[in-house]
Amino acid sequence: AQSVTQLDSHVSVSEGTPVLLRCNYSSSYSPSLFWYVQHPNKGLQLLLKYTSAATLVKGINGFEAEFKKSETSFHLTKPSAHMSDAAEYFCVVSGGKSSGDKLTFGTGTRLAVRP
Amino acid sequence: DAGVTQSPTHLIKTRGQQVTLRCSPISGHKSVSWYQQVLGQGPQFIFQYYEKEERGRGNFPDRFSARQFPNYSSELNVNALLLGDSALYLCASSLGQGTDTQYFGPGTRLTVL
Repeated sequence: AQSVTQLDSHVSVSEGTPVLLRCNYSSSYSPSLFWYVQHPNKGLQLLLKYTSAATLVKGINGFEAEFKKSETSFHLTKPSAHMSDAAEYFCVVSGGKSSGDKLTFGTGTRLAVRP
Repeated sequence: DAGVTQSPTHLIKTRGQQVTLRCSPISGHKSVSWYQQVLGQGPQFIFQYYEKEERGRGNFPDRFSARQFPNYSSELNVNALLLGDSALYLCASSLGQGTDTQYFGPGTRLTVL
């Protein structure tokens, strides 16, 4: 079975400073990993995905994540936070075809951006 | 292009009632999945349908059921509603089974009183 652990429930940064949202995964095979963002009262938007190609994945809005197999991590970063980045972020692992493409979500990290 | 659409946006029901939620996938997508997101938590997988057949089921009671139609739209039904069923119900579509990227709709907010 696969799972993800988001290490911080809340992260607060100042506008213009770097963002780091941490995620560790557990999977018995080479996983597909995703980061989704959810703004208040909105659905989920895909930020980026890793599917065993390049280990550094670039996403939308300046976000990127690095897959580190030795550390079983998939941390999300952004060089400079913007006020519009304030939202809930979910690290997600896919179960793949054998599990009906089930997505398993982490508990989420709420990002606050201070002016 | 239109994304995943869901209806209704909001719904209020009382305990014991039944509810039907609807989802239309992105054009060309043949797989639909349903998730329940309780306030303050991450979404939990309920069902996946592909080519009108159930391909995956999460840890939810039999009160939850779903189906997929020939046009690939889907309905989620919940019977004998409990207070704990209050949540945001999200629908996601993808091109096909084994195609990982799922695109989510805005959700249906269900409140059970």
